[in-house]
Amino acid sequence: QQQVKQSPQSLIVQKGGISIINCAYENTAFDYFPWYQQFPGKGPALLIAIRPDVSEKKEGRFTISFNKSAKQFSLHIMDSQPGDSATYFCAASIRTSGSRLTFGEGTQLTVNP
Amino acid sequence: NAGVTQTPKFQVLKTGQSMTLQCAQDMNHEYMSWYRQDPGMGLRLIHYSVGAGITDQGEVPNGYNVSRSTTEDFPLRLLSAAPSQTSVYFCASTRQGGRSYGYTFGSGTRLTVV
Repeated sequence: QQQVKQSPQSLIVQKGGISIINCAYENTAFDYFPWYQQFPGKGPALLIAIRPDVSEKKEGRFTISFNKSAKQFSLHIMDSQPGDSATYFCAASIRTSGSRLTFGEGTQLTVNP
Repeated sequence: NAGVTQTPKFQVLKTGQSMTLQCAQDMNHEYMSWYRQDPGMGLRLIHYSVGAGITDQGEVPNGYNVSRSTTEDFPLRLLSAAPSQTSVYFCASTRQGGRSYGYTFGSGTRLTVV
């Protein structure tokens, strides 16, 4: 049972465009939502994260939007660049479960020059 | 610092063979975990450990064993390899309870079972 569902599976965007990746979760006990970025041949790395007490968090060109009532959150990449081409994973965790993370299925983003 | 080191990077096994995937970290992280990555299925948790001598099962533990005799090492054992275990395996570590600190992942082991 996939507790965190991610879409789309793949995404192609032109340079300068906006990339949007969506995630939905089922367990209302989740209280921490990170996004990880993975380049080919590498392990994932933390990109940005949000807690449910805020509706938006922005770091540079990357923004997380969070909708607690809908149990959804999304990653927006503004002014997408070819260097942003990677696989993106959303994830979720519960404070009482310590450091355990549940990941979404992943989105392969390609930014064309 | 080397971070998280996984060996080997690539491995081909025959069905029924056993092997151990090695994972070592030099950051004194309490929490270590193993994930497998398959197309369209994301990262699925196999086993994890919150400290030396303590391990627990994740989502997909069948066919795998782990042990944690030291803080630094967390090997993953495939008991009798099956084609369904063909995957890319990642080891990750972090501070226990340090969710906002983020996971440090190794570079992965690509395993093919024929």
